[in-house]
Amino acid sequence: DVKVTQSSRYLVKRTGEKVFLECVQDMDHENMFWYRQDPGLGLRLIYFSYDVKMKEKGDIPEGYSVSREKKERFSLILESASTNQTSMYLCASQVSAGRAFFGQGTRLTVV
Amino acid sequence: SQELEQSPQSLIVQEGKNLTINCTSSKTLYGLYWYKQKYGEGLIFLMMLQKGGEEKSHEKITAKLDEKKQQSSLHITASQPSHAGIYLCGAGPSGTYKYIFGTGTRLKVLA
Repeated sequence: DVKVTQSSRYLVKRTGEKVFLECVQDMDHENMFWYRQDPGLGLRLIYFSYDVKMKEKGDIPEGYSVSREKKERFSLILESASTNQTSMYLCASQVSAGRAFFGQGTRLTVV
Repeated sequence: SQELEQSPQSLIVQEGKNLTINCTSSKTLYGLYWYKQKYGEGLIFLMMLQKGGEEKSHEKITAKLDEKKQQSSLHITASQPSHAGIYLCGAGPSGTYKYIFGTGTRLKVLA
């Protein structure tokens, strides 16, 4: 089965730090996504990428950037972490328009 | 933009009881996905529905998509504590690669 691996399960960072969340998939999927999940708000799309070096903004891109230099890796960057970015971050990959495969999630706390 | 509304938001049932979770879309669905999430973890794919009137089952879980393809239901028969978690419906709108999700239904099954 497809494996989507996020670099950390838990992360604690200080306000103002630059934070990198890494996601790697092993099935040559074209599409990759970053979501954040908050109670009562569900999953909200931050950014997605449909090819190497290609990216599109999702619904809540402010305060985030992404990088996709290789097909298997999609990185989410918090340029200057703030407390309102404390959340669960989920990465997913997808081939064409089929089902998405999710990583195990990264619970980020910004203090 | 398309939205997915789930109901109920939370559910507590006694072990052995049946239950239903609903997912309603503001627009026609071109692919409806059900996922389960254990607390603090990633999403596990359950089922995909694409055709109006389609019904799929896996073990004690049955999902249906209505004829108009705007509403889906997930039914669990004889619930068990292992069914506890958050159930999310997701959809891939036609013409884009973006996935959107409902806000989720938190299920607790009392032994």
